[in-house]
Amino acid sequence: EVQLVESGGGLVQPGGSLRLSCAASGFTFSSYAMNWVRQAPGKGLEWVSGVSGSGGGTYYADSVKGRFTISRDNSKNTLYLQMNSLRAEDTAVYYCANVQKLSVWGKGTTVTVSS
Amino acid sequence: EIVMTQSPAALSVSPGERATLSCRASQSVSSNLAWYQQKPGQAPRLLIYGASTRATGIPARFSGSGSGTEFTLTISSLQSEDFAVYYCLQYNNWPQWTFGQGTKVEIK
Repeated sequence: EVQLVESGGGLVQPGGSLRLSCAASGFTFSSYAMNWVRQAPGKGLEWVSGVSGSGGGTYYADSVKGRFTISRDNSKNTLYLQMNSLRAEDTAVYYCANVQKLSVWGKGTTVTVSS
Repeated sequence: EIVMTQSPAALSVSPGERATLSCRASQSVSSNLAWYQQKPGQAPRLLIYGASTRATGIPARFSGSGSGTEFTLTISSLQSEDFAVYYCLQYNNWPQWTFGQGTKVEIK
């Protein structure tokens, strides 16, 4: 079964850091680019970051550039998002998604940035 | 940056009626357009990709059309389970995706 499972969300203070993980199964992980997408409470979907299958190409939304780092470990079939200098406006549900298999999304992990 | 604009923001429809949702791109995205359905507390569910191809398991009452900058999602006869928020997504310049702001389909 094709599956993505996010983890690592939680409550963090403004200025803090958090690392999200996305464990993939059921497909050849290294063959696919992957994205992180977030959804703030009551708001729409926002693309956050993407990475190529090899990990050699990384891409960021302007809103997170310089603060977030996307990476992947193809030996562990896992995608990561390192989030630093977190702000209240980063509060959201974070989803990982397969760029080419558009139906493949995780269920999300919740990040709350608050003092 | 490609901007995706959905209309209307909300749509009130009676069960059994037809719903037509629109999505416009600020520049051509060819047919690299998908539609998602999202219900509260759930991840988005893919309905349509390639502007007009139904995803696996999606009922035939959902159909997509358009290319370039103008796209439409039509739900031919709304069922109770179809009341949700619908998003369009352009994936023409992957991996940078751009979503529309969503259309909420409500029960009339």
